[in-house]
Amino acid sequence: KAGVTQTPRYLIKTRGQQVTLSCSPISGHRSVSWYQQTPGQGLQFLFEYFSETQRNKGNFPGRFSGRQFSNSRSEMNVSTLELGDSALYLCASSLGGTGFSEQYFGPGTRLTVT
Amino acid sequence: AQRVTQPEKLLSVFKGAPVELKCNYSYSGSPELFWYVQYSRQRLQLLLRHISRESIKGFTADLNKGETSFHLKKPFAQEEDSAMYYCALSVANAGGTSYGKLTFGQGTILTVHP
Repeated sequence: KAGVTQTPRYLIKTRGQQVTLSCSPISGHRSVSWYQQTPGQGLQFLFEYFSETQRNKGNFPGRFSGRQFSNSRSEMNVSTLELGDSALYLCASSLGGTGFSEQYFGPGTRLTVT
Repeated sequence: AQRVTQPEKLLSVFKGAPVELKCNYSYSGSPELFWYVQYSRQRLQLLLRHISRESIKGFTADLNKGETSFHLKKPFAQEEDSAMYYCALSVANAGGTSYGKLTFGQGTILTVHP
């Protein structure tokens, strides 16, 4: 079974631009969660999508948004990029639904904002 | 709000020695606790979950609600245990739909010397 894939793997953007990152979950998984990883703040939860609906949300400004498609693929968008948005963005997929299901992480997208 | 603290950023032991990675949490309700591991050049993956009470790769972790701790232990460390370890917390709401939102500690880098 193929794992979680994220594209692109590396990205360099300029302050003020916007960026879209993509995450393809494991086949059959309906939940996709996004995390930001930085040396200073560690791993922080951004949001989770399940069946095309945002189910959980972290404490990030409105510049960070996401969506999920009917095939469970998810995208996250960051508008008006700031230097502090430079980070590794991880997505994780799981079966979702009620009850526990293990999250499987992707390799991440490394975003550098200059 | 929930919080996870891993007091040790770095931990070094010799092969065959016992190892304990500390994790403390703050949350007023009943959280679920997890340990995630990231080996060099690999993805973040689930190591164990407190509810399962399993021993994975020789590691165990007991949830101590009185001390709000979830320390990870192994009696005899191996070189292949060298990795980054994250303690994480999830709040299981009544509908069981919060498992997609994990709160992570800052992580501990474990190095096992030969």
